[in-house]
Amino acid sequence: EAGVTQFPSHSVIEKGQTVTLRCDPISGHDNLYWYRRVMGKEIKFLLHFVKESKQDESGMPNNRFLAERTGGTYSTLKVQPAELEDSGVYFCASSQDRREQFFGPGTRLTVL
Amino acid sequence: QQQVKQSPQSLIVQKGGISIINCAYENTAFDYFPWYQQFPGKGPALLIAIRPDVSEKKEGRFTISFNKSAKQFSLHIMDSQPGDSATYFCAASNVGSSNTGKLIFGQGTTLQVKP
Repeated sequence: EAGVTQFPSHSVIEKGQTVTLRCDPISGHDNLYWYRRVMGKEIKFLLHFVKESKQDESGMPNNRFLAERTGGTYSTLKVQPAELEDSGVYFCASSQDRREQFFGPGTRLTVL
Repeated sequence: QQQVKQSPQSLIVQKGGISIINCAYENTAFDYFPWYQQFPGKGPALLIAIRPDVSEKKEGRFTISFNKSAKQFSLHIMDSQPGDSATYFCAASNVGSSNTGKLIFGQGTTLQVKP
């Protein structure tokens, strides 16, 4: 069974540019989560989808971040325009039962 | 305040020794306490988890001890091996029927096991 995949693995962009991160969850997992780890800090929750519906967006930093989950399959997280403080590692996780969450390898975003 | 505090930040243990990582939480609504292990370049992977109605759970060399009254839980790695060298995160969540199950993570502990 394939695990959670994320693309790209690394992204380096200039401040003010747009970046889109993609997550493909484990097939059949209705729950999809986005998290972020800023260097030296803890991993923080961003948002939660159940199928294509956003259940909890309480962790989204501001309206420069937009997440979508088309057809309840893969998800994208767009940052527009990117700021320096958006740098970090963005993780996606999927789950069948909201307990065991399977994480992807992450996307390391660097904003210069 | 939904917060989980983890200590120590880093830990060096000799091969064969016991590694102990501690976490404390504040929100009594949490009902699921997992530990994740992360190797460089990989995402966190679930190692072991416990519910608050259990005081201890053991899986192989890994044991979670849970103290509900103190709102603390800890990970013990027995007979630590160099292959255990990784970053460990404790977490807490509320997975009840109307809750999202979002994980609240501790700050992470970098464990180095010396041969």
